[in-house]
Amino acid sequence: DSGVTQTPKHLITATGQRVTLRCSPRSGDLSVYWYQQSLDQGLQFLIQYYNGEERAKGNILERFSAQQFPDLHSELNLSSLELGDSALYFCASSVVGGGATGNTIYFGEGSWLTVV
Amino acid sequence: GNSVTQMEGPVTLSEEAFLTINCTYTATGYPSLFWYVQYPGEGLQLLLKATKADDKGSNKGFEATYRKETTSFHLEKGSVQVSDSAVYFCALGNAGNMLTFGGGTRLMVKP
Repeated sequence: DSGVTQTPKHLITATGQRVTLRCSPRSGDLSVYWYQQSLDQGLQFLIQYYNGEERAKGNILERFSAQQFPDLHSELNLSSLELGDSALYFCASSVVGGGATGNTIYFGEGSWLTVV
Repeated sequence: GNSVTQMEGPVTLSEEAFLTINCTYTATGYPSLFWYVQYPGEGLQLLLKATKADDKGSNKGFEATYRKETTSFHLEKGSVQVSDSAVYFCALGNAGNMLTFGGGTRLMVKP
C-alpha cells in the first residue's frame, strides 16, 4: 500500500459526460501528480500541483482540469468525454518535488475510466 | 526534451533464468533514474532508483546501474521467479519534478 488513495476505482460513463476523479496523497506529501495510462499512449504526465498551486503541466487536454485543495487532496475533472479518454488515471504524490531530487514519487492504484 | 526508450516486450523467461531489460534515456541536466513495476491489476510501485552517475539501485534481487557514458539504466535480475511477472517501467526524473516514462516491458515468467 503506497498510501495514495484514489476513488473511484472503476467508472463507466457515456460520451459527452463529465466525471471527477479524486486523490488523497500520502500523509505529509505536498506534491500531487496526475498521469494517464492508455494502450496507445503509454504513461503520460498530465499535471502537477504543489501545496495548492499548479507547478507543471504536461499533455493535459483543455477538456481536463485539476485542482488541489487546502487539505491537499486533489481532483481531476474530465469533461465532454470521448471514447479515446478511456484509460487508467493515476494519481501520485511526493514530499516536495520528486524527479531529479531523487525523492520517491508514490503512485495510487489508479482509476479505471471506460467511456462508452 | 527528455525521453526514455526501453525494450519492447513481452519478454518470456523460464523460472530461474537471468533477466535484462534495457533502458536508455535522453535528458538535459542530471536526472534521477527509476524502475517502477506494475503487477496485474495494481498500481505502480517503485522498484529501485539511482540519483547520480555510477550509482547502483537494488531491491528484491533486481539491480540497475546509472551509466552516464552510455545513457543507460538496464534492469537485471540473476534468477527470476513466476511472481516477478509484471510490467516494468523505466523512468527519468528531471528538474521539473515530473517523471518521464518508457513504454513499459511486460515480463512473463513460466514455471
